[in-house]
This record gives sequence, C-alpha cells and structure tokens, in this order.
Amino acid sequence: GAVVSQHPSWVICKSGTSVKIECRSLDFQATTMFWYRQFPKQSLMLMATSNEGSKATYEQGVEKDKFLINHASLTLSTLTVTSAHPEDSSFYICSVSTPSTEAFFGQGTRLTVV
Amino acid sequence: QKEVEQDPGPLSVPEGAIVSLNCTYSNSAFQYFMWYRQYSRKGPELLMYTYSSGNKEDGRFTAQVDKSSKYISLFIRDSQPSDSATYLCAMSPVSSASKIIFGSGTRLSIRP
Repeated sequence: GAVVSQHPSWVICKSGTSVKIECRSLDFQATTMFWYRQFPKQSLMLMATSNEGSKATYEQGVEKDKFLINHASLTLSTLTVTSAHPEDSSFYICSVSTPSTEAFFGQGTRLTVV
Repeated sequence: QKEVEQDPGPLSVPEGAIVSLNCTYSNSAFQYFMWYRQYSRKGPELLMYTYSSGNKEDGRFTAQVDKSSKYISLFIRDSQPSDSATYLCAMSPVSSASKIIFGSGTRLSIRP
C-alpha cells in the first residue's frame, strides 16, 4: 500500500501559538489527502479534504480559519493549527486515498497545547 | 443516528479464540467497506478492503459484508495477543478519493 509519512509525531506547544503538521505521500502522487482528528477513545472524525492546487473542503463545524490546510504539491499537504488552545489537543492523522478508494494513513501527530 | 454504528467494547477473549467484530450502517450508498487496526498512539493500518456483499479472506482474517442487512463483520481466527488493538470499520460511497466514514472502534484484548 501507499506509504504516508507524517511529521512531527508529537508536539507540545503553548496556548496561542501555531503548529504546522506535514503529511507526505512517499510513493504515490495524491491529488487528494484527508485530515482527521481523533480524541481519546473516540473514532476518527474527518476535518477536511485537501485538494492539490485548490482550496480545502472543510467539514461542518470545522473552522477553516483556525485549521489552515495547504496542498502545495502532489506529495505534500500541511495542516496548521493557528492560535492553538488546550481544547485543540488531539491526535491528528492524515490519509491518502488511492483511485481504488483504499485509504492509507500516516502515523499521526499527537498535539498537546499547554 | 450515526451513519456507522460499532460496539466500542472492550472485548476480551482468550488466545486462540475466534473473534467476531461487527458494524451496522444506515447509508445505502456505501459500497466500499474496510477494516482498520489501530494500536495505541498510532495511525490506523488497513487490514481488509471489500466491495459489495460477500466474503473476503486473508490469512486469519475474514471480512463479510451483507448489504441487504447493512451489516459488516470481521472474523479473526486463532487470535493472538499481538491482535490486541482497536479495530475500526470504515466505509465510503462509490467514487474514488471519497469521504470515508469510520465506526467508533472496538477495543480488543487477547489474553495469553
């Protein structure tokens, strides 16, 4: 399956600062990547669909000005959590979907805002 | 009502037992069905992927889809302690790169 690399794997930041998370598709050119958030003992919730060369599509209830997504190339999408607050602490995971609809996930980024 | 329902468990069984994990769904548009395994603090790992109704076997794992009942299952034979993880069912409608909806995940523990 596709290899997806996510960086960093964990980050601690102060409240009010911004954090950038990178998602790279190492062996597959992905026109579309997905960003999920997962709270403890809960399932993955789709935040947004990242489209190469165009604006991301956000799910209802997700603030696009707070969670900035940039899909600069076919192999890289970034998620920036702006002005992070403790309630943004979560596990953020990206995925790449192949034409056959199988989705492969990065290893996730654990964000802790203190 | 959630689009995908999955019993969160936890489910604990002895080593060697057959494990049955299940999900139900309400959206008849779903055509692709997947099972993921997620270890603590890791991203989900794709285990099985099926399209439409029927069975698919891969080693100790069997995925079963019954679209008429909107019910999918994952069976694990000869379960091992290393199978202990959270198992997520997931599904999507007919199109590539489309939105995937996940179940809440079932925490499985295999006792040695």
